[in-house]
Amino acid sequence: GDSVTQMEGPVTLSEEAFLTINCTYTATGYPSLFWYVQYPGEGLQLLLKATKADDKGSNKGFEATYRKETTSFHLEKGSVQVSDSAVYFCALSESGAGNNRKLIWGLGTSLAVNP
Amino acid sequence: ETGVTQTPRHLVMGMTNKKSLKCEQHLGHNAMYWYKQSAKKPLELMFVYNFKEQTENNSVPSRFSPECPNSSHLFLHLHTLQPEDSALYLCASSQVNAQGVREQYFGPGTRLTVT
Repeated sequence: GDSVTQMEGPVTLSEEAFLTINCTYTATGYPSLFWYVQYPGEGLQLLLKATKADDKGSNKGFEATYRKETTSFHLEKGSVQVSDSAVYFCALSESGAGNNRKLIWGLGTSLAVNP
Repeated sequence: ETGVTQTPRHLVMGMTNKKSLKCEQHLGHNAMYWYKQSAKKPLELMFVYNFKEQTENNSVPSRFSPECPNSSHLFLHLHTLQPEDSALYLCASSQVNAQGVREQYFGPGTRLTVT
């Protein structure tokens, strides 16, 4: 079945450092890909998405490009802030026919940004 | 209100109590979900409702009982819980069609503690 693999955390960076969180996937069809963020004590929020190959999702300085050739959707940010400290989840929409498809989730990567 | 709301935000209950978690979505979506999020574990999909019909029950113990009276409301009825059921319970909604599942929108969660 479809699956998502994220790099293990925790990731610890200094403020203004460059961030990359790796995400790779396996899917039989053409899924949409998502990054979600969960701040401490809150639910998950959609950060960005891409619906087809070569699409680039972007939001709040974060970017991720849907790479079909490498089955990847890595999250990047050029200069992180303390306020970016959170857990980041990669997800894909399940392949197949019908209305019962779900999102398949990665395990989450915890990011801590120090001042 | 907008988005997905959940009540209560925090709940402490004894093992013999009966309580209910409530979720409401104001996004006009046709699918709703219950997830369980425990420390150091993957996000766990519990139940899925499409068009008010339950389409997924991921081997959840019968002490958890979902109810979806309409496409905007979702409940999770709890009874005779165990301490290991202590977790963050997240509700989400999305729009699902034949082309696939789109992004899910999450509520803030209910932090449940079973004593």
